Amino acid sequence: KQEVTQIPAALSVPEGENLVLNCSFTDSAIYNLQWFRQDPGKGLTSLLLIQSSQREQTSGRLNASLDKSSGRSTLYIAASQPGDSATYLCAVKGSTLGRLYFGRGTQLTVWP
Amino acid sequence: EAQVTQNPRYLITVTGKKLTVTCSQNMNHEYMSWYRQDPGLGLRQIYYSMNVEVTDKGDVPEGYKVSRKEKRNFPLILESPSPNQTSLYFCASSLSVGGGYTFGSGTRLTVV
Repeated sequence: KQEVTQIPAALSVPEGENLVLNCSFTDSAIYNLQWFRQDPGKGLTSLLLIQSSQREQTSGRLNASLDKSSGRSTLYIAASQPGDSATYLCAVKGSTLGRLYFGRGTQLTVWP
Repeated sequence: EAQVTQNPRYLITVTGKKLTVTCSQNMNHEYMSWYRQDPGLGLRQIYYSMNVEVTDKGDVPEGYKVSRKEKRNFPLILESPSPNQTSLYFCASSLSVGGGYTFGSGTRLTVV
């Protein structure tokens, strides 16, 4: 069974820092990997989707990389802002059609 | 607007009283899925569907039923709810095996 781990579990940084959030998975046979953001008590907002054949995706201040062979992805947040405070979730779409496996998330706090 | 719509957003019910949480998507997506989110356990997949009349179990299917009679709808049925099914529930859909998932806003269920 696919296991997804996110490190660190929580992160608190001052505004302006560049951040790296880590996600690792045990089975490299994946279709894609998706990063989400979740605000407290809210739904999941998709940030970036990386297909298994891709190495990275970028959207604004966010950059996600994927190393499928080593089972790792990183989410890089440039010049963090207080509005970036949320929980960031990594999800892997596995080789079994329809299955999606989540990490437990990194809770990010950016203070002014 | 392309979206996944869940209803109701909040529900308090009593043990044993059958309930249905509805989920509808307007994006003609093939894949639909239900998750529950619990503190310390993260998001876990309950059931998923790859197309009309095609469903399969996720990690925590016990106590739940689903059906996919139409492409756009994927209701979650709790025949006899118990307090351990108190949770935050999310429905999600994806266009294809390579597509990313779009999530609904969530249903907070309390069983007393």
